[in-house]
Amino acid sequence: QQPVQSPQAVILREGEDAVINCSSSKALYSVHWYRQKHGEAPVFLMILLKGGEQKGHEKISASFNEKKQQSSLYLTASQLSYSGTYFCGTDTDSWGKLQFGAGTQVVVTP
Amino acid sequence: DGGITQSPKYLFRKEGQNVTLSCEQNLNHDAMYWYRQDPGQGLRLIYYSQIVNDFQKGDIAEGYSVSREKKESFPLTVTSAQKNPTAFYLCASSMTRDNEQFFGPGTRLTVL
Repeated sequence: QQPVQSPQAVILREGEDAVINCSSSKALYSVHWYRQKHGEAPVFLMILLKGGEQKGHEKISASFNEKKQQSSLYLTASQLSYSGTYFCGTDTDSWGKLQFGAGTQVVVTP
Repeated sequence: DGGITQSPKYLFRKEGQNVTLSCEQNLNHDAMYWYRQDPGQGLRLIYYSQIVNDFQKGDIAEGYSVSREKKESFPLTVTSAQKNPTAFYLCASSMTRDNEQFFGPGTRLTVL
């Protein structure tokens, strides 16, 4: 089942912070985060694995609450380049078969 | 340079025709995936393959077929049985299931 992302959209001024949430109805093996700009392919941001391991870009931070079956992505001191649609993908059976949320559109303004 | 290539970038098809989308990777990745994205929506998994000569159906496999005869190639055929094939198709690959998926540039398919 598709994970639920919130909020659907957020508008930020440069330098402001935001949190994007991803919630699953099933137990999670891993959560993947990607950013997609209009008409382009998604770009990898971070993976959070059951047990606490994280792999990703240094400037991106995220959390994974296994008990609550939730993950959050933190956009800190946002830059114009952070604009795009953010997707979480969840793996519930450890086979790398991801189900993606509907996305959170982020607009960063000067 | 290592990466994933998809061709063509744009594809137009008449109703009732089968069409094959190409996906090639030179990253030496074991796993490959096909996703479909409709306007304003997330990605939905069509098929995935964890190893050569083996593949599994994703959430929306009806009307699609794939093959994985070589590690670097994972072509997707959109058959005439697919009722609404107009969409953006993305191919991805990963080293293993615990690693990030790298996406190709996508193929935009339009049925006329």
